[in-house]
Amino acid sequence: QVQLVQSGAEVKKPGSSVKVSCKASGGTFSNYAVSWVRQAPGQGLEWMGGLIPIFGTANYAQKFQGRVTITADESTSTAYMEVSSLRSEDTAVYYCAREIDTSGWSGALDYWGQGTLVTVSS
Amino acid sequence: DIVMTQSPDSLAVSLGERATINCKSTQSVLFSSNNKNYLAWYQQKPGQPPKLLIYWASTRESGVPDRFSGSGSGTDFTLTISSLQAEDVALYYCQQYYGTPYSFGQGTKVEIK
Repeated sequence: QVQLVQSGAEVKKPGSSVKVSCKASGGTFSNYAVSWVRQAPGQGLEWMGGLIPIFGTANYAQKFQGRVTITADESTSTAYMEVSSLRSEDTAVYYCAREIDTSGWSGALDYWGQGTLVTVSS
Repeated sequence: DIVMTQSPDSLAVSLGERATINCKSTQSVLFSSNNKNYLAWYQQKPGQPPKLLIYWASTRESGVPDRFSGSGSGTDFTLTISSLQAEDVALYYCQQYYGTPYSFGQGTKVEIK
């Protein structure tokens, strides 16, 4: 059974950076696209971007281009998402999620991490 | 970018009754070469990540009760809960994966009347 386990909650100051990890177990990691989705308090789901580890090139929503960096370490089956220049509006739960098949950027998200709460506050 | 709009924002349905949620996209998510609609539905309960219910607009994910069904094609889609159970109280989201950036509807809150 595939599991995605994310790193723990973070409290950050405005202007700083945060890096969230997502470790996969129980299945193949490298061939599946992994997305990052965030959810601000009481709000809906927002796709930030993702990557297919075997290819290594990340795909970002324009809104996050330049401020978000998504990477992966195939040796540890771990994906990472770093947000820089944090502001209060970045306070949210951040989820990683894996696509249902290996066709790449054309699959529903069937496995989700438990979520990581990032709080940005001075 | 494709914008997804759900209706209604919330609905209250009696136990055992039908719940219907609509989702509309600003452009077609039907890929003509394989005749598949790149549309998924998720259920989210408080404090939990979203759970995939339906993909390819009408294919039920393994383990999802058959009271959940999806329909529609092109730009208009529907999620139906045929007989609402107490455990179905949740937020429901549609999502297009036709192209990146992926996008979600704003969510529909389903409650018991």
